[in-house]
Amino acid sequence: DAGVIQSPRHEVTEMGQEVTLRCKPISGHNSLFWYRQTMMRGLELLIYFNNNVPIDDSGMPEDRFSAKMPNASFSTLKIQPSEPRDSAVYFCASIAGWTGELFFGEGSRLTVL
Amino acid sequence: EDKVVQSPLSLVVHEGDTVTLNCSYEVTNFRSLLWYKQEKKAPTFLFMLTSSGIEKKSGRLSSILDKKELFSILNITATQTGDSAVYLCAVETTSGNTPLVFGKGTRLSVIA
Repeated sequence: DAGVIQSPRHEVTEMGQEVTLRCKPISGHNSLFWYRQTMMRGLELLIYFNNNVPIDDSGMPEDRFSAKMPNASFSTLKIQPSEPRDSAVYFCASIAGWTGELFFGEGSRLTVL
Repeated sequence: EDKVVQSPLSLVVHEGDTVTLNCSYEVTNFRSLLWYKQEKKAPTFLFMLTSSGIEKKSGRLSSILDKKELFSILNITATQTGDSAVYLCAVETTSGNTPLVFGKGTRLSVIA
């Protein structure tokens, strides 16, 4: 299996632009997580889905952030409009069921100028 | 609020040293504790611990959980430069809507 696949790997954009990050979970995994990692705050859970349904989005910083999972093999995290403080590495992870090892993608490094 | 605290935040040691990384937690309805290693990219799984006092071992790495005192340690013996990474501790709960709560990690640097 190819593992969790994220794109883009790096994105540099200007403040105010829309950013869309993409994730393909491991086939057969029914839970998907979006995390954001910064030096200051560590790894923070933004939102997670179970069977394509958002379960908890309380970690989403504000209305500028939105996430969708239209089917079991694809999810997006969108930031509109982006701000410099959104600069971070965004990880997608998936898991089969609810418990055990979480499999991470390689992350999308976002820089907002 | 569920909380996972790791210490130290960073550590620099020489090759061959033994290190102990700490993870303490305060969560409701604990299910398991997991350790991950993060080098340049994504975190990779090391151990999952569910029972107190049972050591998990993989090569030079070992870990143990104390559910009474609410902490875990990760030991690395005979450290090598390839052990340099951020080590993340995460706790899984059965309640609420956040299945995994991560600590901020310990950054380990092993110098030759």
